[in-house]
Amino acid sequence: GESVGLHLPTLSVQEGDNSIINCAYSNSASDYFIWYKQESGKGPQFIIDIRSNMDKRQGQRVTVLLNKTVKHLSLQIAATQPGDSAVYFCAESPAYSTLTFGKGTMLLVSP
Amino acid sequence: EAGVTQSPTHLIKTRGQQATLRCSPISGHTSVYWYQQALGLGLQFLLWYDEGEERNRGNFPPRFSGRQFPNYSSELNVNALELEDSALYLCASSLEAGLETQYFGPGTRLLVL
Repeated sequence: GESVGLHLPTLSVQEGDNSIINCAYSNSASDYFIWYKQESGKGPQFIIDIRSNMDKRQGQRVTVLLNKTVKHLSLQIAATQPGDSAVYFCAESPAYSTLTFGKGTMLLVSP
Repeated sequence: EAGVTQSPTHLIKTRGQQATLRCSPISGHTSVYWYQQALGLGLQFLLWYDEGEERNRGNFPPRFSGRQFPNYSSELNVNALELEDSALYLCASSLEAGLETQYFGPGTRLLVL
């Protein structure tokens, strides 16, 4: 789920495990969804996106799943590596509008 | 190909002063977005510019303003700085208006004392 204030939800995994980061969105009119990774001191980096006419999309080691019925988005990372440690943000947007970001989830990967 | 660039990387101001932050989009991108990221929080949308026009504005007071130049670079101005304006200010660009995939710069860290 999403956090309030300064305390980000944190997912701790071991290197090599699969990670699943979840995101609940609120706008039923949202047509486009995107995941970003933000490492400390850097700007967000695009990971993968999906449109509302799809329920699954795969990239390199990442998969995004979209459940429009319950307004839920998830990011799956296969064979998680220490370099995957970062804060992950989901964002949503109605068509031709601006992105609304969630508050983020911190992923910690232990060697 | 160069990504989105922002300057300065860090900026220290005192209350009541003005701050100017700059952003150059990816070559060929016409839309520029500004976000505020306060410590430990998510990204809050500030402003969206496309083809020199302001297209949308987030829930921020009028002392946050900006503009987009003919070369598509952009400036964010913050007047009458307050302590709570201390944050990371992120700029993003997209290929054109309506294409939602935004690519971010490294940000400008603004500290208001």
